[in-house]
Amino acid sequence: AQKVTQAQTEISVVEKEDVTLDCVYETRDTTYYLFWYKQPPSGELVFLIRRNSFDEQNEISGRYSWNFQKSTSSFNFTITASQVVDSAVYFCALNAGGTSYGKLTFGQGTILTVHP
Amino acid sequence: DTAVSQTPKYLVTQMGNDKSIKCEQNLGHDTMYWYKQDSKKFLKIMFSYNNKELIINETVPNRFSPKSPDKAHLNLHINSLELGDSAVYFCASSQVFSPGNTIYFGEGSWLTVV
Repeated sequence: AQKVTQAQTEISVVEKEDVTLDCVYETRDTTYYLFWYKQPPSGELVFLIRRNSFDEQNEISGRYSWNFQKSTSSFNFTITASQVVDSAVYFCALNAGGTSYGKLTFGQGTILTVHP
Repeated sequence: DTAVSQTPKYLVTQMGNDKSIKCEQNLGHDTMYWYKQDSKKFLKIMFSYNNKELIINETVPNRFSPKSPDKAHLNLHINSLELGDSAVYFCASSQVFSPGNTIYFGEGSWLTVV
């Protein structure tokens, strides 16, 4: 079975602060894929990034960066210089093989509120 | 144009009614999905179709019946609605049925059963 844990239920920061959202995953598969999605107040689910289990390089996209560490089964997401528009629920998700093949397993989500 | 579009966005209906949510994707993807988000924001897969064939059918009451008339459309019909069916239903699609393929979601349909 696969599992994703986002231990931080809610995070509140002030604009321009850096914030890191934690994600820990469990899977027995050696090939798997990790994702982050954003759900703004308007409700849609927006894809942010996909990472496969063989690529441990960190990725940076503007103010967003992702730190994938297989040794700790973590795929953390950092927003640098946060802005009010970053306020949303962020979901980490895992897709692997076995009986969960093709099914995205989501974490519980982290509600991020950025105050002006 | 919205890549994955679903209608209606909001639906309020009485217990016992039958309702449908429609979904269309214009990405040319082979695989489509229905996910459910409950009141605690938890997201879980319900169904998946690949080229109009049902390939994932999670433990969902048989009051829920998906239908895929073609690979660009996946509709969700719900019979005899219950209070517990109140949730956000997300349609989604991916290029092929593979764990490595990104799944793109629609804007969600907010269903409230009263």
